[in-house]
Amino acid sequence: EAGVAQSPRYKIIEKRQSVAFWCNPISGHATLYWYQQILGQGPKLLIQFQNNGVVDDSQLPKDRFSAERLKGVDSTLKIQPAKLEDSAVYLCASSLGNVAIPYYEQYFGPGTRLTVT
Amino acid sequence: QKEVEQDPGPLSVPEGAIVSLNCTYSNSAFQYFMWYRQYSRKGPELLMYTYSSGNKEDGRFTAQVDKSSKYISLFIRDSQPSDSATYLCAALEGSNYKLTFGKGTLLTVNP
Repeated sequence: EAGVAQSPRYKIIEKRQSVAFWCNPISGHATLYWYQQILGQGPKLLIQFQNNGVVDDSQLPKDRFSAERLKGVDSTLKIQPAKLEDSAVYLCASSLGNVAIPYYEQYFGPGTRLTVT
Repeated sequence: QKEVEQDPGPLSVPEGAIVSLNCTYSNSAFQYFMWYRQYSRKGPELLMYTYSSGNKEDGRFTAQVDKSSKYISLFIRDSQPSDSATYLCAALEGSNYKLTFGKGTLLTVNP
């Protein structure tokens, strides 16, 4: 079974530029998550989708971050404009689960390492 | 105060040692507790999860949760160099599905 795919793996941009990350979840997984992992920290949830609807985006900085999940499959996360403090690894995860069941295992992709200079 | 606290280490042990990794948490609503392993430049992978208090064993790994003291532990027996990674504890409420992670502990097992 193929895992969660993410691209690009690495990205270097200057502050105030924009950047987009792409995620393809495991086939059949209804729930998709984007996390931000700053060096030396655990992952922090940015947004959670159930199919193509948003379940939780309470920690997404909506003035600069946006995300969408078209047709309930692939997802993109965009940052515009980027700040120095956005330097982090952006992880995508997916799970079978739905909001009616408390916990399903989340499978993580390899992440996109973003450096903002 | 962060909801899940974890000593970031680093922790270095000889091969064959018993490793103890620990976290504390402050949110009484947490009901599910997980341990993830993250190799360098990879995404986290789930090692074990437990519901509420108690122990769970899987091979060389044992997870313990003590809800009365809000303490989460992972024990690794007969540690191997391949166990060298960052170990992340995480917790989840039953009513929302947001995982809250600790900072992670970097473990090195020396041959």
